[in-house]
Amino acid sequence: DGGITQSPKYLFRKEGQNVTLSCEQNLNHDAMYWYRQDPGQGLRLIYYSQIVNDFQKGDIAEGYSVSREKKESFPLTVTSAQKNPTAFYLCASSMFAQNTEAFFGQGTRLTVV
Amino acid sequence: GENVEQHPSTLSVQEGDSAVIKCTYSDSASNYFPWYKQELGKGPQLIIDIRSNVGEKKDQRIAVTLNKTAKHFSLHITETQPEDSAVYFCAASPYSGGGADGLTFGKGTHLIIQP
Repeated sequence: DGGITQSPKYLFRKEGQNVTLSCEQNLNHDAMYWYRQDPGQGLRLIYYSQIVNDFQKGDIAEGYSVSREKKESFPLTVTSAQKNPTAFYLCASSMFAQNTEAFFGQGTRLTVV
Repeated sequence: GENVEQHPSTLSVQEGDSAVIKCTYSDSASNYFPWYKQELGKGPQLIIDIRSNVGEKKDQRIAVTLNKTAKHFSLHITETQPEDSAVYFCAASPYSGGGADGLTFGKGTHLIIQP
């Protein structure tokens, strides 16, 4: 099946630790995105990548880092510099950055204790 | 930048009745207005979208209307069913093709269908 896969679904980490969230797509999409979702809030863009080995900061990039070494993979690292990391994280992809519908993964719920 | 306001935050309707969710936006450059449905514990899924050269679009029980002069757009769901219960997000983008990097989302409406 074609799709976008996020893992794990639930993730618990201790405060001060870095953690990496996985996002893989087999849709052959060029563009990939990371969003953060908080209760009662809309989705906010963290980072996006239009092409391999290139990525851009979104609205709330501070405390996060990404890499795009392969077309199908766009991992997000939540660093210890992120002040309030507990949230629901959504990955998305689209054929091109500006011209096509975005498809979302199932999300990863990160809880930092 | 763009600001999208969405109302109401929660909407409860009887099964079979209609539901209307409204959004306003601030940037007149916005050209693309999608609506997403998010079920509990899942990612959002595009259900309908409209571009600025169209005033209304319909797909079976759902429809979207756009008023560019007033900068508002609405989602209409008729003959609501239990499976319509979810959180609905509106969004606006200056990219008429719909790329996610240009999307500004509303805060969501939790739609509850009462049996």
